[in-house]
Amino acid sequence: GAVVSQHPSWVICKSGTSVKIECRSLDFQATTMFWYRQFPKQSLMLMATSNEGSKATYEQGVEKDKFLINHASLTLSTLTVTSAHPEDSSFYICSARASGLSTDTQYFGPGTRLTVL
Amino acid sequence: GIQVEQSPPDLILQEGANSTLRCNFSDSVNNLQWFHQNPWGQLINLFYIPSGTKQNGRLSATTVATERYSLLYISSSQTTDSGVYFCAVPYNNNDMRFGAGTRLTVKP
Repeated sequence: GAVVSQHPSWVICKSGTSVKIECRSLDFQATTMFWYRQFPKQSLMLMATSNEGSKATYEQGVEKDKFLINHASLTLSTLTVTSAHPEDSSFYICSARASGLSTDTQYFGPGTRLTVL
Repeated sequence: GIQVEQSPPDLILQEGANSTLRCNFSDSVNNLQWFHQNPWGQLINLFYIPSGTKQNGRLSATTVATERYSLLYISSSQTTDSGVYFCAVPYNNNDMRFGAGTRLTVKP
């Protein structure tokens, strides 16, 4: 149980285009999902917290108009990188916290590798 | 905010060797998780261990919450253990704050 999927697993796009990444909790409901970014040989850095039915909360330094987050249901959150540029190339990972559990365990998706040419 | 430090940053082992990875954190926590990130980037939950000791096969973890550290033991290492090991603790009671990781390479 507690499986999180991401789609696509990798994407290559041209500079200036927008890319949408989906994060789904497959067998549990998640009121809260998190989006992380990981540059090569670095740790995961939180970008934003996504709450179902409300606006996402962004970390300092993350442009909310560039990284659009939508959490429309208890099993789906999307991250759209708008007008992508080469510096946005990174590994994007989502996680979901299962609702109703007593622990704070987060379950992570497999990640999406974005390359902007 | 809470600081998470991991050591060593890099570790190279011969297959069959044992190792200990350390995670220090700067404040009291009610949760700590150890993850293994494989070469394809997938983060795999290893342990949820706010305190005490847990074992899962060749891996075990111990968290001493009062002294603000956790240890991950890998015994009889295999090449498939290679990757990056992260510890993470709650931050702002919401998301997870990750350490910088320990990059493990197990040579055959």
